[in-house]
Amino acid sequence: KQEVTQIPAALSVPEGENLVLNCSFTDSAIYNLQWFRQDPGKGLTSLLLIQSSQREQTSGRLNASLDKSSGRSTLYIAASQPGDSATYLCAPCAGRGGTSYGKLTFGQGTILTVHP
Amino acid sequence: KAGVTQTPRYLIKTRGQQVTLSCSPISGHRSVSWYQQTPGQGLQFLFEYFSETQRNKGNFPGRFSGRQFSNSRSEMNVSTLELGDSALYLCASSLDYRGEYNEQFFGPGTRLTVL
Repeated sequence: KQEVTQIPAALSVPEGENLVLNCSFTDSAIYNLQWFRQDPGKGLTSLLLIQSSQREQTSGRLNASLDKSSGRSTLYIAASQPGDSATYLCAPCAGRGGTSYGKLTFGQGTILTVHP
Repeated sequence: KAGVTQTPRYLIKTRGQQVTLSCSPISGHRSVSWYQQTPGQGLQFLFEYFSETQRNKGNFPGRFSGRQFSNSRSEMNVSTLELGDSALYLCASSLDYRGEYNEQFFGPGTRLTVL
């Protein structure tokens, strides 16, 4: 059974700092991994998708890395802004060959607060 | 292109009633998944449909069921509601081109409150 852990659980930083959010997962047989953000009471917004064959993916100020063999992914946020305040969720997608193919397993998330 | 839409956005029901939630995926997306989000358990997978067939199912009781129509729209039903069913129910759609899981896009969710 896939288990996902995100560290830290919460993070409060001043505007402009570079941040690192960590995600670890127990089953390395994943198809891909997505990072999402969730604003309070809202749905999930997809930030980045990394295929299992990729090591890194970038979108604007966001960069995500994946080390499938060690079961780790990292989301790097450059020059943080107050608008980045949200909960960030990591979700590996189960791979082929199992009964859970395509299922996303979520961690508890990292609650990020960026102060002006 | 319109995103994933879910209706209704909010629902209040009483214990023992049943409820039906609806999800319209992004145009062209054929896979629809449902998730339950609660403060205690976080986000948990309910089930996934593709071409009107349930392809995967999570560890939820039989009171939770779903279906998908030929236009890929999906509904989920919860019968005999319990207080613990109060949650945000999220729907996600994916292109699933040639059997490959692509990026999954989520709707705004339906907030269900059971009294």
